[in-house]
Amino acid sequence: GQNIDQPTEMTATEGAIVQINCTYQTSGFNGLFWYQQHAGEAPTFLSYNVLDGLEEKGRFSSFLSRSKGYSYLLLKELQMKDSASYLCAVSVRGGNKLTFGTGTQLKVEL
Amino acid sequence: DADVTQTPRNRITKTGKRIMLECSQTKGHDRMYWYRQDPGLGLRLIYYSFDVKDINKGEISDGYSVSRQAQAKFSLSLESAIPNQTALYFCATSDRTGGHTANYGYTFGSGTRLTVV
Repeated sequence: GQNIDQPTEMTATEGAIVQINCTYQTSGFNGLFWYQQHAGEAPTFLSYNVLDGLEEKGRFSSFLSRSKGYSYLLLKELQMKDSASYLCAVSVRGGNKLTFGTGTQLKVEL
Repeated sequence: DADVTQTPRNRITKTGKRIMLECSQTKGHDRMYWYRQDPGLGLRLIYYSFDVKDINKGEISDGYSVSRQAQAKFSLSLESAIPNQTALYFCATSDRTGGHTANYGYTFGSGTRLTVV
């Protein structure tokens, strides 16, 4: 089976930087995804990591360490619209069904 | 039009009733999935299908059934709805040819909010 852990809630200030961590335990790791989900809406794709290191995409970056079973999503220059749930999801070899963490609810305040 | 369309968007039904949630996609993807989302529990896989003749149970398939009528259509049925099936249901698709790329990721439908009373 797979076990994915991420914090339940985080609060940050507009304009600041926030890091959302995700740890996972799985066999046959085949990639890690981050999704953003606003309340009542569908998750939308943010980033994908399969090799160790940092992937940067505008204000969002994602880091992966496969040896540590660890990833983080870094959000810079926070905006109020970044208030959402951030889902970490892991793919394993043999099929691309994703297993999701429970999500981190981020609240951005003035 | 949306790439992945779910109908209905909202539904209230009574305990014991049969209900079908429908999903259709224009992505041309082979793989389709049904998840449910509950507060504090995240997205959990109900059923998935890698092509028209392939149906697989996910982690929480009890009380549900599915039908893959065509590559583009994947329906979820609750044969006899019960209150603890009240949840937000998502259909998703993915591309089997994505390999080690972001194309392995999902495209989600807008969700169906189901309430069983």
